[in-house]
Amino acid sequence: RKEVEQDPGPFNVPEGATVAFNCTYSNSASQSFFWYRQDCRKEPKLLMSVYSSGNEDGRFTAQLNRASQYISLLIRDSKLSDSATYLCVVSRMDSSYKLIFGSGTRLLVRP
Amino acid sequence: NAGVTQTPKFQVLKTGQSMTLQCAQDMNHEYMSWYRQDPGMGLRLIHYSVGAGITDQGEVPNGYNVSRSTTEDFPLRLLSAAPSQTSVYFCASSPQGAAFNGANEKLFFGSGTQLSVL
Repeated sequence: RKEVEQDPGPFNVPEGATVAFNCTYSNSASQSFFWYRQDCRKEPKLLMSVYSSGNEDGRFTAQLNRASQYISLLIRDSKLSDSATYLCVVSRMDSSYKLIFGSGTRLLVRP
Repeated sequence: NAGVTQTPKFQVLKTGQSMTLQCAQDMNHEYMSWYRQDPGMGLRLIHYSVGAGITDQGEVPNGYNVSRSTTEDFPLRLLSAAPSQTSVYFCASSPQGAAFNGANEKLFFGSGTQLSVL
C-alpha cells in the first residue's frame, strides 16, 4: 500500500463547477501536509499548505482530518486554468525522506 | 533570478552509457535534492544534500551518484544507464539545510529532465 494515496482521476468538470479531491495517508507520524500543483510536463509548484483548522486561499479550501488520516482540497468556481494534476504531499519528521508525494489527481476543466 | 536550472531538458541514452544531469540554483539554498517521477507513482527521492560536502541517500538511490562541492551545484550521475531509469527527473531546493524538515518549507523545483534509456 502506498503511504500517500490519491484517486488518479481524471476529474472532468465544467467551468464553474465545484470539485473536491481527497488524499489519505497511512503513517500517523505524518506532521505537515501540502497540496502541490503540476501542469502537464512541468515542475510541481506549491499550491497551499494544509493546517489543522482548515484554510482557504481564494477559491481553494484545504481540510485536514487527522483522526481519519485524510486531506482534502476543494476548488470552487473552477476555471479552465485549474486544469492540472494536484499532488498531495506529506512530511514526516521520522523519515530522512522528509516529504512523501502522492501520485496526483488529474483535473480537467472543460468550457 | 533564474531559480533552479536543470540541463538537459531531454536526453536519450543507450543501456550502459553514463551521463550527468546538471542542477544549479542561484538562491543560496542549502537543501538540494533529486527526485524521479514515473507514471502512476509519486515523486520519489533519489539523493539529497543539506549543504556543501554533505549528501545522503533517499528512497531510490541505486544506480545514481551525487556530489555537492559547492552550494550552487548538485549534479546527478547515472553510472550505467538501464531502461528502468527511464523517467522524468526533478531537482529541487529549499532555503534550510540540516534544518529542512518538510514542515512549511517550500520546495523550489527545476523544470525537469526527460530521460529515456533504450
